[in-house]
Amino acid sequence: EAQVTQNPRYLITVTGKKLTVTCSQNMNHEYMSWYRQDPGLGLRQIYYSMNVEVTDKGDVPEGYKVSRKEKRNFPLILESPSPNQTSLYFCASSLSPESSGSRLYSGELFFGEGSRLTVL
Amino acid sequence: QKEVEQNSGPLSVPEGAIASLNCTYSDRGSQSFFWYRQYSGKSPELIMFIYSNGDKEDGRFTAQLNKASQYVSLLIRDSQPSDSATYLCAVNSPGGGADGLTFGKGTHLIIQP
Repeated sequence: EAQVTQNPRYLITVTGKKLTVTCSQNMNHEYMSWYRQDPGLGLRQIYYSMNVEVTDKGDVPEGYKVSRKEKRNFPLILESPSPNQTSLYFCASSLSPESSGSRLYSGELFFGEGSRLTVL
Repeated sequence: QKEVEQNSGPLSVPEGAIASLNCTYSDRGSQSFFWYRQYSGKSPELIMFIYSNGDKEDGRFTAQLNKASQYVSLLIRDSQPSDSATYLCAVNSPGGGADGLTFGKGTHLIIQP
């Protein structure tokens, strides 16, 4: 079954304790991305990756790190979490425009189930 | 700064009626437009995309695009309680690609039985 898998799904942690949220996809997608979703603010992109070893900042990258050492995995790292990082996090993947055949419809994102993070 | 605007709602529609969801965008060079549905506590899922002016129909769903007015809409015919969800409009930058997607904040739709 084609899917994007995130872990953990729920996490309560304390300020300053490093944590990693894993994301894995089995669709051989080149593109992967992390979003956070907050009430009244909608989905905001944190980081994205166009392919292995290629990452770039999204709209709200402060306080986060990512890596893309393998095509299927794109972990999100919070080195020193703070309460303002309490949020619902989504990982998503997509074909690249080259693989999908067109940039027009390469905006189809496949989302993971989400990871609800609380930082106390 | 690319902007995608949606009325947050809630938009309440009787069962069986047509639900009309609207979205405006600021970047005139945007090329493709996506509607995602998100049930409460779940992840977004793509239901339609459109990139040519006019209407695109898929079952009970119709997407409408007017690039001159920078306006895209989603019509849901014969609305069902299972259509109750938040609908997110997403717009691609002129360069296209998923990296250029900008999401609106979503419209909360409630279908009343």
